[in-house]
Amino acid sequence: RKEVEQDPGPFNVPEGATVAFNCTYSNSASQSFFWYRQDCRKEPKLLMSVYSSGNEDGRFTAQLNRASQYISLLIRDSKLSDSATYLCVVSWGPGYALNFGKGTSLLVTP
Amino acid sequence: ETGVTQSPTHLIKTRGQQVTLRCSSQSGHNTVSWYQQALGQGPQFIFQYYREEENGRGNFPPRFSGLQFPNYSSELNVNALELDDSALYLCASSFIQLNNEQFFGPGTRLTVL
Repeated sequence: RKEVEQDPGPFNVPEGATVAFNCTYSNSASQSFFWYRQDCRKEPKLLMSVYSSGNEDGRFTAQLNRASQYISLLIRDSKLSDSATYLCVVSWGPGYALNFGKGTSLLVTP
Repeated sequence: ETGVTQSPTHLIKTRGQQVTLRCSSQSGHNTVSWYQQALGQGPQFIFQYYREEENGRGNFPPRFSGLQFPNYSSELNVNALELDDSALYLCASSFIQLNNEQFFGPGTRLTVL
């Protein structure tokens, strides 16, 4: 079983739609959680860290459920520029490797 | 921009050759991690360097080796290249005492023929 599993995608949504990505992780000792965004043939860029209390950054909301080992990302009012691959990332904590999911592709259409 | 730089941007090698990839970390960061990203996959952890020593290693053979220098820059060396080594190699820098947010360089795209 992979350590981090994501929705297979791809997700094709119209502009203005709300889209949600889900992710599960297998190691209950994990302490750090992130969503990264990766544009085609570019490096991953940190979108947001994910905290147990949930956190929001503009149109983006991330949630963590430690009991279910489940992470989510909600994007509201999708923009064309949101089209990218979204990577769910889990780590044991500072100084440890990042474990990436395979990524979920999002295409926002006019 | 993250301030993490990598060179070269692209590289073509043949099987059996050796390659060295370079990374300069973001100012203020003391840790460098290397990842391999095959097409259609998420990045896979190769190893991490802190205080010029390897500080963790993923499931990669010994022919993948690295160095970290006093200025925190780093090299990834791959010997005896195989076709499956073709991938995007990403370097990420971080400050180990913080929350493990890692910032990636633009990567080196390696093609092995």
